Amino acid sequence: AQKVTQAQTEISVVEKEDVTLDCVYETRDTTYYLFWYKQPPSGELVFLIRRNSFDEQNEISGRYSWNFQKSTSSFNFTITASQVVDSAVYFCALSEAEDAGNMLTFGGGTRLMVKP
Amino acid sequence: TAGITQAPTSQILAAGRSMTLRCTQDMRHNAMYWYRQDLGLGLRLIHYSNTAGTTGKGEVPDGYSVSRANTDDFPLTLASAVPSQTSVYFCASSFTGTGYDEQYFGPGTRLTVT
Repeated sequence: AQKVTQAQTEISVVEKEDVTLDCVYETRDTTYYLFWYKQPPSGELVFLIRRNSFDEQNEISGRYSWNFQKSTSSFNFTITASQVVDSAVYFCALSEAEDAGNMLTFGGGTRLMVKP
Repeated sequence: TAGITQAPTSQILAAGRSMTLRCTQDMRHNAMYWYRQDLGLGLRLIHYSNTAGTTGKGEVPDGYSVSRANTDDFPLTLASAVPSQTSVYFCASSFTGTGYDEQYFGPGTRLTVT
C-alpha cells in the first residue's frame, strides 16, 4: 500500500529564512506521481507541482524548489527567502499509475508559519 | 471561471440525520472525487468517479454514498450521520482519472455532527 510521511507537523521561521519541508513516500509501483499542494488559511488546496517517477530532475520555480530522490524515496520542498504569504499548510501526495481511482494519498501536512 | 463549487459552506447536523453535500464543476473534467480532511491525517479519499455513470470506493467509504448522473455534479450523501463524520469535506476534479493528472479542489464544506 502507498504511504506518504511528512514528519514535520509544524515549522516556524522568520521572514527571509530558507525552509525545507520533508516528504518521504512508500510505493510498490515503478510508475507513480508525486505532488505538492498548498493550503493557505482560506482553506482551498492549490496545486504546486507534479513529478513522475522517471524524472528525477530537480525543479525550480521562483523561490520554490523541489528535490526528488528515488534512492531515499523523498520529495522535499524548499522555499528560499520565505515570506509571510508562504504561511500555509503544505501537503505532499502520491498517486500510482495502476490505481484505477487515481487515489491521491496525502501526507499529514506541514504547517509553515513565517513570522515578519 | 468558477472551477469547483461546494455547498453548503458549513453545516451543523444532528446525529442520525441525513445530508447531501453538493459539488459542481464547470471545467468539463471527467473525474471527480470526495475527500475528508482531519487534523494530522491529511486528506483521505471517500469515493471517486472516473466518468459520468460510474463510481468507486476510496480509502474511507463507509457511511457515505455518491452518484454521478452527469459530468458536472457529484453529490455526497450521509444517510445517517455519526459524530466521527465531523470533518472538512473537499470535492475535487481532474481531466482524466489517471494518476498523472493534478486534481483541482473546491473550497470545502465544514460539517459538524452533534
